[in-house]
Amino acid sequence: GQNIDQPTEMTATEGAIVQINCTYQTSGFNGLFWYQQHAGEAPTFLSYNVLDGLEEKGRFSSFLSRSKGYSYLLLKELQMKDSASYLCAAMDSNYQLIWGAGTKLIIKP
Amino acid sequence: GAVVSQHPSRVICKSGTSVKIECRSLDFQATTMFWYRQFPKQSLMLMATSNEGSKATYEQGVEKDKFLINHASLTLSTLTVTSAHPEDSSFYICSARRAGGAETQYFGPGTRLLVL
Repeated sequence: GQNIDQPTEMTATEGAIVQINCTYQTSGFNGLFWYQQHAGEAPTFLSYNVLDGLEEKGRFSSFLSRSKGYSYLLLKELQMKDSASYLCAAMDSNYQLIWGAGTKLIIKP
Repeated sequence: GAVVSQHPSRVICKSGTSVKIECRSLDFQATTMFWYRQFPKQSLMLMATSNEGSKATYEQGVEKDKFLINHASLTLSTLTVTSAHPEDSSFYICSARRAGGAETQYFGPGTRLLVL
């Protein structure tokens, strides 16, 4: 079957760095997405990886290892506004997104 | 940009009535639009995929006669919840994928439906 695993909740301190891991199993693979979702709002696109390696975009970076079925989202210089759920989603061979349950990130001052 | 709008953002209706939700891609053409439902503290659940000019593809367990989807143009898809019941109360979110572009889905702001 198809499956996405990511931690349910993480806590970090303002100004610090946090890494949110995601492992996936899909029928075929057409890329890995990370979305941010604030409470009561729709998801917003953060990153897309289809090749192995690290993609950096400002304070956020995303890494992919296709051979390991593994990705992580790295957030640097954490700000209070980064408190949100972070959704990992893998695209299968039919170009359908398989969603993880999301990781709730709590930032403490 | 890739802006997707949804209307209404919030709706309260009586049980048995029908509610229509619109999803528009404002600055791009979307050959494919997706409709999701999300219950509190749960992940997104794909309801259906709609392609412009053709019938929507519904996920298993989603009643196509209850959740009517119309994708009449490259910028507009509608979801109609027919004969709504309290258990249909949820956060409904649409997303759109660019025509001929990358596979990224861009989400609308969502519609919060409360059925009394």
